[in-house]
Amino acid sequence: GQNIDQPTEMTATEGAIVQINCTYQTSGFNGLFWYQQHAGEAPTFLSYNVLDGLEEKGRFSSFLSRSKGYSYLLLKELQMKDSASYLCARVYSGAGSYQLTFGKGTKLSVIP
Amino acid sequence: DAGVIQSPRHEVTEMGQEVTLRCKPISGHDYLFWYRQTMMRGLELLIYFNNNVPIDDSGMPEDRFSAKMPNASFSTLKIQPSEPRDSAVYFCASLRQGSTEAFFGQGTRLTVV
Repeated sequence: GQNIDQPTEMTATEGAIVQINCTYQTSGFNGLFWYQQHAGEAPTFLSYNVLDGLEEKGRFSSFLSRSKGYSYLLLKELQMKDSASYLCARVYSGAGSYQLTFGKGTKLSVIP
Repeated sequence: DAGVIQSPRHEVTEMGQEVTLRCKPISGHDYLFWYRQTMMRGLELLIYFNNNVPIDDSGMPEDRFSAKMPNASFSTLKIQPSEPRDSAVYFCASLRQGSTEAFFGQGTRLTVV
């Protein structure tokens, strides 16, 4: 991904909490997405942050700091089905334009 | 709605052949995106359209790649001639103007031998 950095792989234990970090280039930024992608499947939307702070949605939360160009995805009470790649993506949108750029993804393995 | 529909799901072709990938976006969506995903490079934006008009094709790797959107319900991505390094999963996604969530199709896994 263009100027979007996230760890390549992470491993966590079932029932635990894991935090996946993402840093991005702050210029031309409107918002930050997290997508989940299971192996062999399409990415699916998890969260969108446009303002600083924490957005909570069930077991998943996403945090954004626009001044630092930093976001994280927090997964609580991990389940085996959470094993997937998690893609951080930033968006720039303007008149008629919509640039959605993805990081390379973090492959999360949840172990018993 | 059936979601974003891509065809074929899998394509195996020989080097030098023409390949055409197809996408039907969600009805009413204004934006259509073509992405390519590989292990090495992740998910890369190739081109996107707004109201059937190409807005940014700077991600198209070479002149061998071309994309069209003749109407609001159909787009194609063509590779001619194909090369082994084009092997990847190609995703199409669509988005409604004013919305924040882009919906992805199931992808086309292309293998060029």
